[in-house]
Amino acid sequence: KAGVTQTPRYLIKTRGQQVTLSCSPISGHRSVSWYQQTPGQGLQFLFEYFSETQRNKGNFPGRFSGRQFSNSRSEMNVSTLELGDSALYLCASSLVWDTLNNEQFFGPGTRLTVL
Amino acid sequence: QQPVQSPQAVILREGEDAVINCSSSKALYSVHWYRQKHGEAPVFLMILLKGGEQMRHEKISASFNEKKQQSSLYLTASQLSYSGTYFCGTADNYGQNFVFGPGTRLSVLP
Repeated sequence: KAGVTQTPRYLIKTRGQQVTLSCSPISGHRSVSWYQQTPGQGLQFLFEYFSETQRNKGNFPGRFSGRQFSNSRSEMNVSTLELGDSALYLCASSLVWDTLNNEQFFGPGTRLTVL
Repeated sequence: QQPVQSPQAVILREGEDAVINCSSSKALYSVHWYRQKHGEAPVFLMILLKGGEQMRHEKISASFNEKKQQSSLYLTASQLSYSGTYFCGTADNYGQNFVFGPGTRLSVLP
């Protein structure tokens, strides 16, 4: 069974631009969560989706948004990029609806660099 | 609010035991434990739920003291493969507001 896939793996953008990251969960998984990982702030929860609905949202500005499609694939978008948005963005999928209280499987991440 | 992990780092010899602690100032519903090796994604170890039993993953076990809002991860007879950064993640009493701890760096030497 294929794991969680994320595209692209690496991305370089400049300040002010916007970016869209994609995540395909494990086949059969309907929950997807997104995390940001930086050396300074560590791992931070962005949002969680189940059946195309956002169930939970972390403490990030409105520039960070996401969505989930009917096939469970998810995208996250960051608009008006800032230098501080440089990070590893991780996606995780879960079989059940209550992702935050069940096992999550992480993808390899997308390394975003903002210049 | 981010949970506190202790110690920040620990160095062991192969075969030694270690304990990593995770504590929160708020009531918790669940505590997750993950291990992340350098350059890799976090890997799920186990989850402890309020009212649940102590969990075990190979020679790694964990406990959850709901009254103290604390969880401990016990690594028994550590192996070289145990090296990495261990994160706890907590969800509040409503099963929401998921937050990761800062991590504990574990190094197992031969």
